[in-house]
Amino acid sequence: GNSVTQMEGPVTLSEEAFLTINCTYTATGYPSLFWYVQYPGEGLQLLLKATKADDKGSNKGFEATYRKETTSFHLEKGSVQVSDSAVYFCALSGVDSNYQLIWGAGTKLIIKP
Amino acid sequence: GAGVSQSPSNKVTEKGKDVELRCDPISGHTALYWYRQSLGQGLEFLIYFQGNSAPDKSGLPSDRFSAERTGGSVSTLTIQRTQQEDSAVYLCASSWELAGSYEQYFGPGTRLTVT
Repeated sequence: GNSVTQMEGPVTLSEEAFLTINCTYTATGYPSLFWYVQYPGEGLQLLLKATKADDKGSNKGFEATYRKETTSFHLEKGSVQVSDSAVYFCALSGVDSNYQLIWGAGTKLIIKP
Repeated sequence: GAGVSQSPSNKVTEKGKDVELRCDPISGHTALYWYRQSLGQGLEFLIYFQGNSAPDKSGLPSDRFSAERTGGSVSTLTIQRTQQEDSAVYLCASSWELAGSYEQYFGPGTRLTVT
């Protein structure tokens, strides 16, 4: 079936460190891929997306490239800030007729000053 | 413009009582989703509405759960005879479902606690 697997958290980094959060997927067809972020006490927000192979989504210094050959959509940022502390969710959509989002379990990111 | 809104933001109820959760989607969005976010279980799809079509109820965990969408806009999720395992954050999302996009916008959620 369709699924998303993310690296387990929490991930703890120091400010200005390089960030990678791994995400791989299993899907029939050609899904769209998303990263959502949930800051403490807030709702889910779309961070970035990619709708076809080799597309790169980017926002707020984060980026992720849709790699069909490795079925991956890893999230990266070159220099993290304390304000990036949040839970990050990888998700896919477009493989079910109802276009529901299929979610990874989420990765908690903690940035220390 | 206004985003997706949900009410109440928090609901504490006794086991066995019925609850209603409300979602106001972004104006003009034709698709509306309900998800549940439980501790230790991640996010799960519950139900999907698209325009005037019959809803996709395939994610509802039991027949105690039901939802309706009036006039293609506001939606209400009803949980009857609540159980402690129903405690979770219930999230509503809406989208235009543009071809190739499927971008969903989320409300802040309703935190349900069943005591």
